Amino acid sequence: DAMVIQNPRYQVTQFGKPVTLSCSQTLNHNVMYWYQQKSSQAPKLLFHYYDKDFNNEADTPDNFQSRRPNTSFCFLDIRSPGLGDAAMYLCATSREGTSGYNEQFFGPGTRLTVL
Amino acid sequence: QKEVEQNSGPLSVPEGAIASLNCTYSDRGSQSFFWYRQYSGKSPELIMFIYSNGDKEDGRFTAQLNKASQYVSLLIRDSQPSDSATYLCAVNVGGGADGLTFGKGTHLIIQP
Repeated sequence: DAMVIQNPRYQVTQFGKPVTLSCSQTLNHNVMYWYQQKSSQAPKLLFHYYDKDFNNEADTPDNFQSRRPNTSFCFLDIRSPGLGDAAMYLCATSREGTSGYNEQFFGPGTRLTVL
Repeated sequence: QKEVEQNSGPLSVPEGAIASLNCTYSDRGSQSFFWYRQYSGKSPELIMFIYSNGDKEDGRFTAQLNKASQYVSLLIRDSQPSDSATYLCAVNVGGGADGLTFGKGTHLIIQP
């Protein structure tokens, strides 16, 4: 089945220790997104890739970076995690250009704990 | 400022009844509208999307859009206990590949 996969599902890191979260997709979608969702809050868009073009949200902290080495994979790097970065990180994909209306499909998420 | 507002609930509905979930959005230029279901500790799952004014039906779900009033709703007919979840309203403001702006969600409880 075509899907969006995130690894790891649970990640524990120490304050200030860099961490990388992974997302892969078999949907062959050209757009990939990273959202952050804290407890009882709405998912918040961090950035997205349209093909190879990176689009950062204006209020995304510099501490968050992303890489997309190919169509299938996208990574979220948190350079120096703080306690406030503990959240669920959600990867989503869409196929821009088909319907034009951007239905997004989410992976299972990575739950990040910062000690 | 792009905003999507939902009543956080909880909204309690008897099994078999119709659950009605509502959402308002601030940006009049918003292009497309989505309803996601999210179980506790899980990721959002796309249920419905709607682009044009009026109603769109898919099984037990009906999405309603009124762009003049900047209002989107989701009706769930014959509610089942498995429908108990948080329902997130999301808006694609800019169209195209822009990310979604989400509401905080409405917590729905279906009482057996």
